[in-house]
Amino acid sequence: QVQLTESGPGLVHPSETLSLTCTVSGFSLTGYSVYWVRQPSGKGLEWMGRMRYNGDTSYNSALKSRLSISRDTSKNQVFLKMNSLQTDDTGTYYCTREGLRRAFAYWGQGTLVTVSS
Amino acid sequence: DILINQSPASLTVSAGEKVTMSCKSSQSLLYSENNQDYLAWYQQKPGQFPKLLIYGASNRHTGVPDRFTGSGSGTDFTLTISSVQAEDLADYYCEQTYSYPYTFGAGTKLELK
Repeated sequence: QVQLTESGPGLVHPSETLSLTCTVSGFSLTGYSVYWVRQPSGKGLEWMGRMRYNGDTSYNSALKSRLSISRDTSKNQVFLKMNSLQTDDTGTYYCTREGLRRAFAYWGQGTLVTVSS
Repeated sequence: DILINQSPASLTVSAGEKVTMSCKSSQSLLYSENNQDYLAWYQQKPGQFPKLLIYGASNRHTGVPDRFTGSGSGTDFTLTISSVQAEDLADYYCEQTYSYPYTFGAGTKLELK
């Protein structure tokens, strides 16, 4: 079955770089796109970016200058890197996979990232 | 970017009541090539990841109870819960998947009396 699992450091210091990994199973990264969505604590959902099945990427324009998404298909992993973190980047980060009509049918459990000194 | 206006921000209802919530897009989400709308609804319960309820504006995802109905086309969409149950206490989000960057509504918080 389709599974996505996020991993990364729970705590990042202000101005540092966040590195997260999404490890997938049950499907191929060359057949489906994987997306990153985040949710600041107590707030709504924000679409961050996408790793397309063919290796192309798209980013939220508000985050584009700080964000990079890459992948290792041999390890079934998609990576998110975001620099210059600030306290308002604190929240839960999810990776997802689309289903029909590009809706996010599959989600990881999410990983909580706290930005604090 | 496509803007999504979701309303109301919160709803307080009694079990068994009918509930409707709205999602309005700043541009049409109807893809002319296949005549399909690219609008999804999600339910997020406290401490959980969002779960897909409706895709393509009106199609229930696998396992979603039939008390949840999505409707609308173009720029105006509605999620209806025909008879609210206690387990429906959650935040509800709509999302456009018509064009990048995908965008979410701000959410509707459903609370029970």
